[in-house]
Amino acid sequence: AQSVTQPDIHITVSEGASLELRCNYSYGATPYLFWYVQSPGQGLQLLLKYFSGDTLVQGIKGFEAEFKRSQSSFNLRKPSVHWSDAAEYFCAVGVAGGGNKLTFGTGTQLKVEL
Amino acid sequence: KAGVTQTPRYLIKTRGQQVTLSCSPISGHRSVSWYQQTPGQGLQFLFEYFSETQRNKGNFPGRFSGRQFSNSRSEMNVSTLELGDSALYLCASRPTSGTYNEQFFGPGTRLTVL
Repeated sequence: AQSVTQPDIHITVSEGASLELRCNYSYGATPYLFWYVQSPGQGLQLLLKYFSGDTLVQGIKGFEAEFKRSQSSFNLRKPSVHWSDAAEYFCAVGVAGGGNKLTFGTGTQLKVEL
Repeated sequence: KAGVTQTPRYLIKTRGQQVTLSCSPISGHRSVSWYQQTPGQGLQFLFEYFSETQRNKGNFPGRFSGRQFSNSRSEMNVSTLELGDSALYLCASRPTSGTYNEQFFGPGTRLTVL
């Protein structure tokens, strides 16, 4: 069965600083990988996804992520964080033939200091 | 296009009662999934419906059930509520075309069991 690890529960960065949120997955084949963001009291919004091809994927709100097969990682990055980026971020994995089932990491809470 | 809608947004029940939550997918989407989100267990997959048939089920007791109607709207039911069922219940729908697992989430229903 697949699994996802987000090692950082909380991260605090200053506005304007760069950001990297870590995500490691466990799965025998190439998975489908996603990053979602959740603001308080809200549902999940898809930031970006990786299915195949170019390992560097661009998403909304200036986010990007890089799939590294050798490290089983899919880290999320943003060069300059805005105060409005404060939220909880979830990495998720889906597998071929798995239909809609996504396995989520435990999330990383991002705080942005002004 | 309207997004995924979930009703009600908030619900308070007492132990032993049952509850029904509703989800209307994005127009044209035929696949609906349900997730439970709690602080302790995180985001966990409940089940998936496609064309009125349950396609996948997570590791939840039989008290959790669901169904999908011919118009793709879905309901989930929890019987004999327990305190631990307090959670945010998220519904997600998937486009009918393509083979990807990309899903679009609703805002969720916050269930509190007293």
